[in-house]
Amino acid sequence: AQTVTQSQPEMSVQEAETVTLSCTYDTSENNYYLFWYKQPPSRQMILVIRQEAYKQQNATENRFSVNFQKAAKSFSLKISDSQLGDTAMYFCAFMKHAGANNLFFGTGTRLTVIP
Amino acid sequence: KAGVTQTPRYLIKTRGQQVTLSCSPISGHRSVSWYQQTPGQGLQFLFEYFSETQRNKGNFPGRFSGRQFSNSRSEMNVSTLELGDSALYLCASSRNSGLAGGPGSGELFFGEGSRLTVL
Repeated sequence: AQTVTQSQPEMSVQEAETVTLSCTYDTSENNYYLFWYKQPPSRQMILVIRQEAYKQQNATENRFSVNFQKAAKSFSLKISDSQLGDTAMYFCAFMKHAGANNLFFGTGTRLTVIP
Repeated sequence: KAGVTQTPRYLIKTRGQQVTLSCSPISGHRSVSWYQQTPGQGLQFLFEYFSETQRNKGNFPGRFSGRQFSNSRSEMNVSTLELGDSALYLCASSRNSGLAGGPGSGELFFGEGSRLTVL
């Protein structure tokens, strides 16, 4: 079975600063995908970033980047130059390769950006 | 391009009733998956439909069912409602089924959800 753990229920960051959200996972699969999804107060879930396990290079999307450590089963999200619009719940998620769009989600980290 | 549309947005039912939720995916997307979100259990996968076929089902009782139509619109049904079924039900669409693997896998576009309250 796959499990995803987010150990930080809540975090806050000053506007324009950098914050890192942690995620660890457990799986016996060798090939899989990892994601960070964002759920703002309006509650529509949005994909932030995606990482394929076979790629050693860490994914980046503008101000968002990940630190993927496959051996340690760690997948942290770094948000640079935090903006007020980054305030949201952030969910780390895992999907087996060829996994029927069945995402296993962590419990989420509520991030608040302080002006 | 219109996003994923879920209806109704809010509904209140009583125990024992049944409910049907609807999801219209993004045009061109053939995969629709459903998730239940509760404070206690978090986000849990219900099932995925692709080209009118159920591809996978999560660990939910048979009271939870779904279907997909030829235009990719999907419905999920919960029969004999229980208090514990109160949740936000999220629908997500994707161009391809996750079973295909490859580019775009797991890149889900979510709707705003249907908030079900069971009294």
